[in-house]
Amino acid sequence: SQQGEEDPQALSIQEGENATMNCSYKTSINNLQWYRQNSGRGLVHLILIRSNEREKHSGRLRVTLDTSKKSSSLLITASRAADTASYFCATDGAAGNKLTFGGGTRVLVKP
Amino acid sequence: DVKVTQSSRYLVKRTGEKVFLECVQDMDHENMFWYRQDPGLGLRLIYFSYDVKMKEKGDIPEGYSVSREKKERFSLILESASTNQTSMYLCASRRRDLGPDTQYFGPGTRLTVL
Repeated sequence: SQQGEEDPQALSIQEGENATMNCSYKTSINNLQWYRQNSGRGLVHLILIRSNEREKHSGRLRVTLDTSKKSSSLLITASRAADTASYFCATDGAAGNKLTFGGGTRVLVKP
Repeated sequence: DVKVTQSSRYLVKRTGEKVFLECVQDMDHENMFWYRQDPGLGLRLIYFSYDVKMKEKGDIPEGYSVSREKKERFSLILESASTNQTSMYLCASRRRDLGPDTQYFGPGTRLTVL
C-alpha cells in the first residue's frame, strides 16, 4: 500500500515560474525525502527533512513538513526546462529501514 | 560516488521464462531493495535485504524471489514470467546506520513479458 500520495499528479508551467507539489502520508515517520526521476531513469535524491524539522532549503528547493497534518510540500523556484521530471516523496517510518513511495508528480517546464 | 548498476536497461522475455535481474552496488551498503514502478502507482517494494543471505518480503512479493549471496549483489528472480510483470524494475541500496540516510538507485531495467 502507498504511504505517500502526491498532488497534483501532473503540473505544467512556464520556465521561470515556481512549481509546488504536495505529499500526504498516513503513519508516523522518522523523515521524509523527495526524489526526482528523469524520464526512463533511476531516482535521484533531492532533499531529506526530519520529523522534527518544519522547513528546509537546498538551492532552488524548499521543503516543508507538517507532521500534524501528515503532509509535506516541495517548492521549486525559478523553474528551468531541466527541472522537467517526475518528483516522488518517500517516507522512512519507525518500522524499519525502508522507504515507502508515493505515486509521483509529473512536472513539465516549458521553455 | 555511490554506484548502483543493473545488468540490463531493457529486457524482453516470453511468458513462462525464468528471468534474473541483477543489481550490484560498490559502496559496501548493507541494505538493498527491489522495487517495481508502474504508471500512477509510484514505486512498490518487492523485496529487501538487510545483509547477506537475509531477505524480507516487501509489499508485493508474489511471483518473485530474491538472492543475496554476496553483500554487493542482490538478484531478483521471476520464476515464471507473466505479462502482468511487465514493468520498470529499480534496485536501490543504502547504509544500515541509525540515522536517516539517502537511498541510491540504479538506472532501472524495463522488462517486457510477451
